[in-house]
Amino acid sequence: DADVTQTPRNRITKTGKRIMLECSQTKGHDRMYWYRQDPGLGLRLIYYSFDVKDINKGEISDGYSVSRQAQAKFSLSLESAIPNQTALYFCATRSGGLNTEAFFGQGTRLTVV
Amino acid sequence: AQSVTQLGSHVSVSEGALVLLRCNYSSSVPPYLFWYVQYPNQGLQLLLKYTSAATLVKGINGFEAEFKKSETSFHLTKPSAHMSDAAEYFCAVSDDGGFKTIFGAGTRLFVKA
Repeated sequence: DADVTQTPRNRITKTGKRIMLECSQTKGHDRMYWYRQDPGLGLRLIYYSFDVKDINKGEISDGYSVSRQAQAKFSLSLESAIPNQTALYFCATRSGGLNTEAFFGQGTRLTVV
Repeated sequence: AQSVTQLGSHVSVSEGALVLLRCNYSSSVPPYLFWYVQYPNQGLQLLLKYTSAATLVKGINGFEAEFKKSETSFHLTKPSAHMSDAAEYFCAVSDDGGFKTIFGAGTRLFVKA
């Protein structure tokens, strides 16, 4: 089984709909992250969490919200999806420290029509 | 604040040729640098990381990177490209407190037969 699992892998939704992307990890790490990938822009951080009571905004949090249901689960919601939120979304986890690597899920390809 | 810049959004090499992917960093403190690779339809995975123990870092699949403080660079190289190396490569740096990983825009490597 994968260390980081994202569901769904692909989703097409209509403008204005609410959608939730889910992420679970088996690494036992406290830190979890949601990134968005767009061509030519790399990965941009949406939200991150260090434990269930600690949620932090990243550089592009507008239009998104998150929930940390447990150490292993971190979900991302789009309350009212818009077309420019069409992107590839990644969940990641890492342990604490400056030089620790991030472990990524396989991504969710979201299309808002 | 830490940041990385990847020079060239696309690089094309012939099979067997040298691969050179460029990354320059900006950091007010000694940086912790990473290279990740993303194969098609997959999440990112770690290629290698710099942790100050050695300036030349060896990674998986024959890749290596050299940290050059005088040039603020951490370029990724491989002596002989293989078709399976075709992917997108991301340079990344930890932020000041090690809370977040900041990614470059990515370089897509094409390998010609």
